[in-house]
Amino acid sequence: DQQVKQNSPSLSVQEGRISILNCDYTNSMFDYFLWYKKYPAEGPTFLISISSIKDKNEDGRFTVFLNKSAKHLSLHIVPSQPGDSAVYFCAANGMEYGNKLVFGAGTILRVKS
Amino acid sequence: KAGVTQTPRYLIKTRGQQVTLSCSPISGHRSVSWYQQTPGQGLQFLFEYFSETQRNKGNFPGRFSGRQFSNSRSEMNVSTLELGDSALYLCASSLISSFGTEAFFGQGTRLTVV
Repeated sequence: DQQVKQNSPSLSVQEGRISILNCDYTNSMFDYFLWYKKYPAEGPTFLISISSIKDKNEDGRFTVFLNKSAKHLSLHIVPSQPGDSAVYFCAANGMEYGNKLVFGAGTILRVKS
Repeated sequence: KAGVTQTPRYLIKTRGQQVTLSCSPISGHRSVSWYQQTPGQGLQFLFEYFSETQRNKGNFPGRFSGRQFSNSRSEMNVSTLELGDSALYLCASSLISSFGTEAFFGQGTRLTVV
């Protein structure tokens, strides 16, 4: 039972354009969401997070949008750079989960120069 | 400030053997969580330790166990290894054990069971 779903296994974008990565969740108890980036042979690196009391959070080129009614969040990267090519994981957390993060399967982003 | 350190980086074991993986969290962090990553499955939560106590446990068989020492270092043990245990095992450390806390990951231990 996948509570966090990233339905696009991969995404290819031209350098300078916008990358949009999507994530859906089913558990309404989730109220904190995170995005991690992972390069091969490295551990995941925290990118950006959002609490359910917000619908948008911005950090430089990265913006996360949350639509609670649709149980959907997205990560926008503008402008995309070749160094952004990596696997992006969406993760969810809730008060009853403590530190446990529930991850999606990941989306491979390729930014072409 | 040193990051999360996992040892060893790579391991090859035979079916039926047991294995112990080690994780040293960021200095001052008291929570250590373990995750298993397999292709196409994302990261699956194994368990979390805080102040030497298991706080949370995922849906893995009892062959998977862990512990945490007084210096917050943690070990994970897998007994009676199966081929399906081949995966990247990731350790994450957090300052506290609380919802909404950012987790910092190590580079992982790549376990191959043959």
